Amino acid sequence: GDSVTQTEGPVTLSEGTSLTVNCSYETKQYPTLFWYVQYPGEGPQLLFKVPKANEKGSNRGFEATYNKEATSFHLQKASVQESDSAVYYCALMSNYNVLYFGSGTKLTVEP
Amino acid sequence: AQTIHQWPVAEIKAVGSPLSLGCTIKGKSSPNLYWYWQATGGTLQQLFYSITVGQVESVVQLNLSASRPKDDQFILSTEKLLLSHSGFYLCAWRLTGGARDNYAEQFFGPGTRLTVL
Repeated sequence: GDSVTQTEGPVTLSEGTSLTVNCSYETKQYPTLFWYVQYPGEGPQLLFKVPKANEKGSNRGFEATYNKEATSFHLQKASVQESDSAVYYCALMSNYNVLYFGSGTKLTVEP
Repeated sequence: AQTIHQWPVAEIKAVGSPLSLGCTIKGKSSPNLYWYWQATGGTLQQLFYSITVGQVESVVQLNLSASRPKDDQFILSTEKLLLSHSGFYLCAWRLTGGARDNYAEQFFGPGTRLTVL
């Protein structure tokens, strides 16, 4: 079946350092890939999506490239800010109505 | 502008008691609707989806059921709560029609926090 695997465990960084959250996926279908961000006590918000292979999505300084050959979609940011502290989820949609989320990566950015 | 409302905001219930959670979407007609469950500190697991009134598909049941009595309303319920039902329940919607990729993302509501004791 379809699945998403992402960086396990919390990540703590200092402000101004770079972030990479690894995400890999499995599907036999043609996926659309997403990154969502969730703040405490709220529903997830879409960070960005990438519907096509080998294209890049970006928003708010975050970016990810849909690598079809490697089945990966790693999230990166060159310089994190304290306000980026949140939980980040990689997600895969392989049909119109089912969305599979990764386990989530909690990012804490220290000043 | 579209708004998504979930009720109640939070609920504390006893094991074995019934449950009904609701979700309403305003400002969009005939959206696809979704229910998700999130254990504390866990990931989001899709439970149900509905593409039209009266029609609900199950993804993972967890001894819950869902109904769509109106175009803008989605209900999650059970007659008997289990301890394992505790968590955060999220309703989501997305546009329908048009090219698949243009309308693919789901938009989430504020959620309902359920504690089963």
